[in-house]
Amino acid sequence: DGGITQSPKYLFRKEGQNVTLSCEQNLNHDAMYWYRQDPGQGLRLIYYSQIVNDFQKGDIAEGYSVSREKKESFPLTVTSAQKNPTAFYLCASSIWGNQPQHFGDGTRLSIL
Amino acid sequence: ILNVEQSPQSLHVQEGDSTNFTCSFPSSNFYALHWYRWETAKSPEALFVMTLNGDEKKKGRISATLNTKEGYSYLYIKGSQPEDSATYLCAFSNPTGTASKLTFGTGTRLQVTL
Repeated sequence: DGGITQSPKYLFRKEGQNVTLSCEQNLNHDAMYWYRQDPGQGLRLIYYSQIVNDFQKGDIAEGYSVSREKKESFPLTVTSAQKNPTAFYLCASSIWGNQPQHFGDGTRLSIL
Repeated sequence: ILNVEQSPQSLHVQEGDSTNFTCSFPSSNFYALHWYRWETAKSPEALFVMTLNGDEKKKGRISATLNTKEGYSYLYIKGSQPEDSATYLCAFSNPTGTASKLTFGTGTRLQVTL
């Protein structure tokens, strides 16, 4: 079945540690996105990528990094510079601009 | 920063009731308006992508309308069922190349009881 797979489902980070969230899609979509959800707020865009080897900052990119070495994969690294990383992270992909986005099941990141 | 507002924040209806909720968005530089349904423990699922003023779209018992001149969209659910219980998100689309930057509202949480 085609879809988006995020892993792990739950992740714990120690202070000062970088952690990487995985996002893989087999939908052959060009565009991929990372969002963050906090209580009482809408989904906020962290980074997005239009094609392989290209990515752009979203609205809240500070403390995060991404790579897009393969069309299928768009991992998100939460660095130690992100002072408030506890949140629910969603990855999405789309064919192109005006098409609906397809979402993964999310990763919940917590601080130990 | 774009402002997308949804109301009400939450809604509790009885099975069989019809209901509707609102999404307000900037009326200038409109490109598209997305609606998603997000059930607990699942991933958000696309309902509609609307682009034209006056657009009306329907999917089963769910329909949506769009007014780009005044900056609002309504989502209607006819004859609500318990399986309609979910958070309904709208998002304003900013196109950029082949991607589409979405600005989401905070959602309307719908609970349908027997």
